[in-house]
Amino acid sequence: KAGVTQTPRYLIKTRGQQVTLSCSPISGHRSVSWYQQTPGQGLQFLFEYFSETQRNKGNFPGRFSGRQFSNSRSEMNVSTLELGDSALYLCASSLAGQRDQPQHFGDGTRLSIL
Amino acid sequence: AQTVTQSQPEMSVQEAETVTLSCTYDTSESDYYLFWYKQPPSRQMILVIRQEAYKQQNATENRFSVNFQKAAKSFSLKISDSQLGDAAMYFCAYKGSARQLTFGSGTQLTVLP
Repeated sequence: KAGVTQTPRYLIKTRGQQVTLSCSPISGHRSVSWYQQTPGQGLQFLFEYFSETQRNKGNFPGRFSGRQFSNSRSEMNVSTLELGDSALYLCASSLAGQRDQPQHFGDGTRLSIL
Repeated sequence: AQTVTQSQPEMSVQEAETVTLSCTYDTSESDYYLFWYKQPPSRQMILVIRQEAYKQQNATENRFSVNFQKAAKSFSLKISDSQLGDAAMYFCAYKGSARQLTFGSGTQLTVLP
């Protein structure tokens, strides 16, 4: 069974631009969560999608948004990029996002803002 | 809000020896899950082991085991017979009613040949 796939693996953008990251969950998984990982802040929860609906959201500005499609694939978008948005963005999927279901992570997208 | 604390930023262990990574957490919930994830330089977060809070028995997965002390809110990871491939950043994580993972700051484990 294929794992969680994130594309692209690396991305370089400049301040003010916007970016879209993609995540394909494990087949059969309907919950997709996004996390931001930085050396200073560590791993922080961005949001979770289940059945095309945002079910949970972390403490991030509105520039960070996402969506989920009917095939459970998810995208996250960051608009008006800032230098501080440079990070590793990790996507994780689980069957239904319940607390007893472990999340399986992708390899991440490394976003660098110049 | 729940918090997870890993007080050891770095640890090292000799190959074939045993090492214990510490983790404490704070929560007012009684039903939750705890996880240890491993992140090698390849970046992918790999689930190592999980513990259900209402189970008193400590979880074990091959060379990996936990010491779960619910009253003390402590969740340490023991790695036995350490191997070079165990070298990675290890994260302790909490998952409760909010269903999101709350991570500790991580412990960088070095395995010495």
